[in-house]
Amino acid sequence: KTQVEQSPQSLVVRQGENCVLQCNYSVTPDNHLRWFKQDTGKGLVSLTVLVDQKDKTSNGRYSATLDKDAKHSTLHITATLLDDTATYICVVGDRGSALGRLHFGAGTQLIVIP
Amino acid sequence: EAAVTQSPRSKVAVTGGKVTLSCHQTNNHDYMYWYRQDTGHGLRLIHYSYVADSTEKGDIPDGYKASRPSQENFSLILELASLSQTAVYFCASSDWGLSYEQYFGPGTRLTVL
Repeated sequence: KTQVEQSPQSLVVRQGENCVLQCNYSVTPDNHLRWFKQDTGKGLVSLTVLVDQKDKTSNGRYSATLDKDAKHSTLHITATLLDDTATYICVVGDRGSALGRLHFGAGTQLIVIP
Repeated sequence: EAAVTQSPRSKVAVTGGKVTLSCHQTNNHDYMYWYRQDTGHGLRLIHYSYVADSTEKGDIPDGYKASRPSQENFSLILELASLSQTAVYFCASSDWGLSYEQYFGPGTRLTVL
């Protein structure tokens, strides 16, 4: 059973446009949520982590929100660049301890065109 | 710069053959992990280790073995490779446990024919 659902599966935007990626999950408990960027043929690189019940973070052109009541997170990318082309993966950690597990979404493939 | 490296980066294996994937980290982390990534699915945990000479089963360990001969090195072994094991395999490391920030290697694309 998939516990982390991401939408859309893929998205094409023009350079300079903004976009929003969605993540819905059913993981319980939900200690934290992290967004990763995965370039083609590369490993996952952390963009941001959200921890609080209703949390917001900002990292340059990336900003994210988390609502644990709704079990929902969004990743906003402002003024997209060609280098933003990648797969963005939402990951939920169920415990903040050594015994916790990470639950991975399948990712949203973002393609930025000129 | 701290890093997780994997070798080989890609491999083609025959059904029934033995495959060994290697991972090396310079993060000085205690925890190391092996995941597989299938198209359209999230990463799934195969094996992990929190100390040298010891490994633990993850969520999908069947058909895989792991070896942690030192803090820096962690191998994934497929004794009898099968078609269903075609996937991209990622190694990761972290300071603490499974729920903490993990640093990923670039992945190994394994094709079993």
